[in-house]
Amino acid sequence: QLQLQESGPGLVKPSETLSLTCTVSGGSISSSSYYWGWIRQPPGKGLEWIGSINYSGNTYYTPSLKRRVTISVDTTKNQISLKLTSVTAADSAVYYCARQVMVRGFQVIDYWGQGALVTVSS
Amino acid sequence: QSVLTQPPSASGTPGQRVTISCSGSTSNIGSNTVNWYQQLPGTAPKLLINSNNQRPSGVPDRFSGSKSGTSASLAISGLQSEDEADYYCAAWDDSLKGWVFGGGTKLTVL
Repeated sequence: QLQLQESGPGLVKPSETLSLTCTVSGGSISSSSYYWGWIRQPPGKGLEWIGSINYSGNTYYTPSLKRRVTISVDTTKNQISLKLTSVTAADSAVYYCARQVMVRGFQVIDYWGQGALVTVSS
Repeated sequence: QSVLTQPPSASGTPGQRVTISCSGSTSNIGSNTVNWYQQLPGTAPKLLINSNNQRPSGVPDRFSGSKSGTSASLAISGLQSEDEADYYCAAWDDSLKGWVFGGGTKLTVL
């Protein structure tokens, strides 16, 4: 059973860097069949895709956050990481780690982690 | 403002059939498949329908999806109290080169 587990500080100060890690168990992050991504959800609001990465480090990011986001992969630890710089209160959200797979030539996000709440406050 | 448009709310009584719409454009729904997610209160989203109309293992056949042009729909028949949740549509966008989501529809079972 595939499991994705987010971890990291729950409180970050304004202007600092938000850092989260997603540990994948029950499956290998090194499979060429998958991309692994981050999606966030501000309290009481909808879902926003942040970016995705594959095992070889190919990344793509949402344009609105591209200047501030870095997603990396560590295949030896079966982990991906998220760094978001210069955070403000608007970055407060539940951050989800998720897996993408191709189904009949089209992308599907099929597994999600339980999410990590990050609050930006001094 | 979400790229995909969903009604903010929907409701029905037990046993009824409800539908939730999702409207996009040629660069997302028009070019790619639509996935639907169910988010129960306080939990992570769960894949409900993938590839427009495919149910993952374990999803009851009361849930069905369809797509036509740049719009998609999720239908729930035989509505049950445990279906009360937020529902999101999602699709890959070829112009943005990323995922886009609907704003979510809160389903209330009366």
